[in-house]
Amino acid sequence: QVQLVESGGGVVQPGRSLRLSCEASGFTFSSHAMHWVRQAPGKGLEWVAQIWGDASNKYYADSLKGRFTISRDNSKNRVDLQMNGLRADDTAVYYCARDGQGLAPYSMDVWGQGTTVSVSS
Amino acid sequence: QSALTQPPSVSGSPGQSVTISCTGTSSDVGSYNRVSWYQHLPGTAPKLMIYEVSNRPSGVPDRFSGSKSDNTASLTISGLQAEDEAYYYCISYTSDITWVFGGGTKLTVL
Repeated sequence: QVQLVESGGGVVQPGRSLRLSCEASGFTFSSHAMHWVRQAPGKGLEWVAQIWGDASNKYYADSLKGRFTISRDNSKNRVDLQMNGLRADDTAVYYCARDGQGLAPYSMDVWGQGTTVSVSS
Repeated sequence: QSALTQPPSVSGSPGQSVTISCTGTSSDVGSYNRVSWYQHLPGTAPKLMIYEVSNRPSGVPDRFSGSKSDNTASLTISGLQAEDEAYYYCISYTSDITWVFGGGTKLTVL
């Protein structure tokens, strides 16, 4: 079945880096753009980044530009989020989500269960 | 990009209808029919309920419907059921080629 599984979360000190991964299965991965979305404790959902299926285009939330980098490896059905210069306000559950493309255009139709990042000294 | 504006909470009794609004600007909601809605229970993965303003994915009950007027999109849930109690989020594509979520609305079924 269609599935997304995130990994790589953990506790990290401020200023350090962390790399999150999301492994996809059950669909043609390269045909779908992918998103990262996060939810800080007690807060709402926040869009983080998007990467096209062929990785030709990447887009980021303005507040994160320069610190976060999204990438993908279609041979491994994986999308990553490299997070540098982490701050306390980056503490959140990070979700990867599939762009619906032709099935549900301009939406996120499949989500992972999330991985938790805690930035603390 | 500022978050879209949603009411923090709405409530209704079983069988009633509720509408959740999602107000943006002419740079996002007003310019694109690329608004979708998600149901979210804490600790679980968000679930797509409506895409492209008013389309329902297969498996979503037809009690859920979406619409848009100018800069405001709306999600209406009719025939409220206890299982509908959750947080609901809208999201829109923007002219900056980014996406912006609403702040979220907690639906309470009385």
